[in-house]
Amino acid sequence: DGGITQSPKYLFRKEGQNVTLSCEQNLNHDAMYWYRQDPGQGLRLIYYSQIVNDFQKGDIAEGYSVSREKKESFPLTVTSAQKNPTAFYLCASSINREYSGANVLTFGAGSRLTVL
Amino acid sequence: DAKTTQPPSMDCAEGRAANLPCNHSTISGNEYVYWYRQIHSQGPQYIIHGLKNNETNEMASLIITEDRKSSTLILPHATLRDTAVYYCIVRSANAGGTSYGKLTFGQGTILTVHP
Repeated sequence: DGGITQSPKYLFRKEGQNVTLSCEQNLNHDAMYWYRQDPGQGLRLIYYSQIVNDFQKGDIAEGYSVSREKKESFPLTVTSAQKNPTAFYLCASSINREYSGANVLTFGAGSRLTVL
Repeated sequence: DAKTTQPPSMDCAEGRAANLPCNHSTISGNEYVYWYRQIHSQGPQYIIHGLKNNETNEMASLIITEDRKSSTLILPHATLRDTAVYYCIVRSANAGGTSYGKLTFGQGTILTVHP
């Protein structure tokens, strides 16, 4: 079945450590996204990538980094510079061309990061 | 993108229709209305989208008013598994070549389906 796989599902880290969240998709989608969700809040866009080897900052990119070396993969690194990293992280993908279906995102199950 | 307004919460009895409203009075002519839902601790799930005609799929129906300033998502026979946060999002399908799919998820409506 086609879909998005995020790992790990739960992650604990100590302050000052970088962590990398994995996101893999087999939907042949060009565009991929990382969102962050805090308790009781909506989703906020961290980074997005429309094509391989290109990515753009979203609304809250500070303290995060990404790479897009392969179409299928879009890992997110939460660096020690992120002041409040404890959150639920969601990866998504979509097609990337001008039509209404481009805003139909497929999401992964999420990764919950807790900083101790 | 046009801003949307949704009630913070709604209740519905199991087996009855759930009608979730969304106000988007500043919507422009090329903007679509999208609905997603998020069940607790899961990723959001796409439900349906439309431009100006009413739409129906296996999950729900979307009714858009003639002036397009508001819409209603209808779950015809709500079940307990439909308890979730429902997000109404307005977004253009023509992003001018910059990006598609950059969606703004607000607080949404918490729908609680009870027995």
